[in-house]
Amino acid sequence: KAGVTQTPRYLIKTRGQQVTLSCSPISGHRSVSWYQQTPGQGLQFLFEYFSETQRNKGNFPGRFSGRQFSNSRSEMNVSTLELGDSALYLCASSLEQGVLVQYFGPGTRLLVL
Amino acid sequence: DQQVKQNSPSLSVQEGRISILNCDYTNSMFDYFLWYKKYPAEGPTFLISISSIKDKNEDGRFTVFLNKSAKHLSLHIVPSQPGDSAVYFCAASIQGAQKLVFGQGTRLTINP
Repeated sequence: KAGVTQTPRYLIKTRGQQVTLSCSPISGHRSVSWYQQTPGQGLQFLFEYFSETQRNKGNFPGRFSGRQFSNSRSEMNVSTLELGDSALYLCASSLEQGVLVQYFGPGTRLLVL
Repeated sequence: DQQVKQNSPSLSVQEGRISILNCDYTNSMFDYFLWYKKYPAEGPTFLISISSIKDKNEDGRFTVFLNKSAKHLSLHIVPSQPGDSAVYFCAASIQGAQKLVFGQGTRLTINP
């Protein structure tokens, strides 16, 4: 079974731009979560989607948003990029909501200049 | 406010010996704990988990111990192998919340 895939793997943007990252979960997995990893803050939860609805949200500003499609694929969007948004963005999937073992993709490395 | 803490940024162990990685948490509501391993340029890989109703869980060379009264968990790797060299993260969650709270990670180096 293929693992979680994320595209693109690397991205360079400038301040003020917006970016969309994509995640395809493991086949059959219906819950998708997003995390941000930075050297200073570590791995932090952004949000979780299940059945095309955001079920949980972390402590991030409204510039960070996401959505999930009927095939469980998910996208996250960051608008008005700031230098501090430079990070590794990780997507994780689990079979159902409430199943706490999450399987991570390789991440998208975003650099904001 | 760091709810999950891994106080050792790094650990060096001889091949074949036991590696012990530690993790402390402050939120008594956490009832499910996981360990992940991460190589550079890859996402975290799930290793082992434990529910708060247990105090030990084993899977091959990996054993996780949970001490709820001390709010402490540890991961034992026996015997340690060179391929175990990676960054290890512990994570905690409240069942139903679908949100993992991670520690800062411990870089484990296995020396031949």
